Amino acid sequence: GENVEQHPSTLSVQEGDSAVIKCTYSDSASNYFPWYKQELGKGPQLIIDIRSNVGEKKDQRIAVTLNKTAKHFSLHITETQPEDSAVYFCAASRGGTYKYIFGTGTRLKVLA
Amino acid sequence: DSGVTQTPKHLITATGQRVTLRCSPRSGDLSVYWYQQSLDQGLQFLIQYYNGEERAKGNILERFSAQQFPDLHSELNLSSLELGDSALYFCASSVDLRMNTEAFFGQGTRLTVV
Repeated sequence: GENVEQHPSTLSVQEGDSAVIKCTYSDSASNYFPWYKQELGKGPQLIIDIRSNVGEKKDQRIAVTLNKTAKHFSLHITETQPEDSAVYFCAASRGGTYKYIFGTGTRLKVLA
Repeated sequence: DSGVTQTPKHLITATGQRVTLRCSPRSGDLSVYWYQQSLDQGLQFLIQYYNGEERAKGNILERFSAQQFPDLHSELNLSSLELGDSALYFCASSVDLRMNTEAFFGQGTRLTVV
């Protein structure tokens, strides 16, 4: 069935370093890949997304890359700051469906 | 602030009881989705409504039901509650029928069944 694997489950980095979170999806028809950030006690917040016709997208310190052949996509956060500490979820969906398949989440801790 | 409003924020109830969770989507959004988030299950899709009609069902138990009203707010009804139903319940909304556009999540309702 549909599945999204996300790694690592936890990640600690020093402030100013980069963080990379990777996801692999199983449904080759997936064509939309959002990333959500969830802070403690809050709902998931969309931070960046990418569609299957694009290989990379950047928004300030955040970038997402997509490799359709390998069926994986990654979130890159540069110059990490303490406020980047949160749980990050990747997701995948495809046209004609009504749901995202979420990864299991990565708890990112940025150490000051 | 995502623009999606969920009430209540917290709910504590006993096993066997019934509760109703409420969601008001962002202005202009016609699609409402309900998700359950528990520690060992991640974010699980429950059900989706579009402009008042049910459009998709995920891993929703028969004890659970939902509806979307003419003003587009939605309610998730959970009955015969069990301890295992304790979780965060999120509502999300989007403009499009299909979730291939941006979806915005509410702050969630934390349900504790004792």
